[in-house]
Amino acid sequence: AQSVAQPEDQVNVAEGNPLTVKCTYSVSGNPYLFWYVQYPNRGLQFLLKYITGDNLVKGSYGFEAEFNKSQTSFHLKKPSALVSDSALYFCAVREYGGATNKLIFGTGTLLAVQP
Amino acid sequence: DAGVIQSPRHEVTEMGQEVTLRCKPISGHNSLFWYRQTMMRGLELLIYFNNNVPIDDSGMPEDRFSAKMPNASFSTLKIQPSEPRDSAVYFCASKIAEGSYEQYFGPGTRLTVT
Repeated sequence: AQSVAQPEDQVNVAEGNPLTVKCTYSVSGNPYLFWYVQYPNRGLQFLLKYITGDNLVKGSYGFEAEFNKSQTSFHLKKPSALVSDSALYFCAVREYGGATNKLIFGTGTLLAVQP
Repeated sequence: DAGVIQSPRHEVTEMGQEVTLRCKPISGHNSLFWYRQTMMRGLELLIYFNNNVPIDDSGMPEDRFSAKMPNASFSTLKIQPSEPRDSAVYFCASKIAEGSYEQYFGPGTRLTVT
């Protein structure tokens, strides 16, 4: 069965420092991977995706993610964190097989950026 | 584009009452998803539709929950009768046709059942 794991419930980083939010996956076949962000009292917003091609994927708000097949990871990164990046971040993988459109979401990681 | 529209944004009701949540997907999107988010269980997929047809309702908690999509621009999620444990934020999301897998979420409906 497909799954994603976000090993950290919370990540704390100082403004201006680089940030990494971790995600590992387990899938049958080639993974389709996604990152979403949820600001307080808002719905999830799509940040970026990896389907195929370059392992480094660039997305919205200066975020990027690196697909690493050997480590089955898809970590979210940003070179310089902003206080406004503080939010809940979800990793997701497309459920594999048939014509399914389901995404399987991780448990979320709360990113707190201190000024 | 107005994005996914959900109504109401907040709903407070008493136990035993019927609750109806509404969703208007993004125009041109042909898949629609209903999720529930709670602190205890995180984000759960309840049901999803392709071209107005329910495809997977395995996440619907019990018979008290039902969802319909009478046309491409409208869906409802109904809870009857409601219970306090149904209190959560309910999200609707939509997705464009095949070949693109990212989903676009609405702002959610915060349901409180007292």
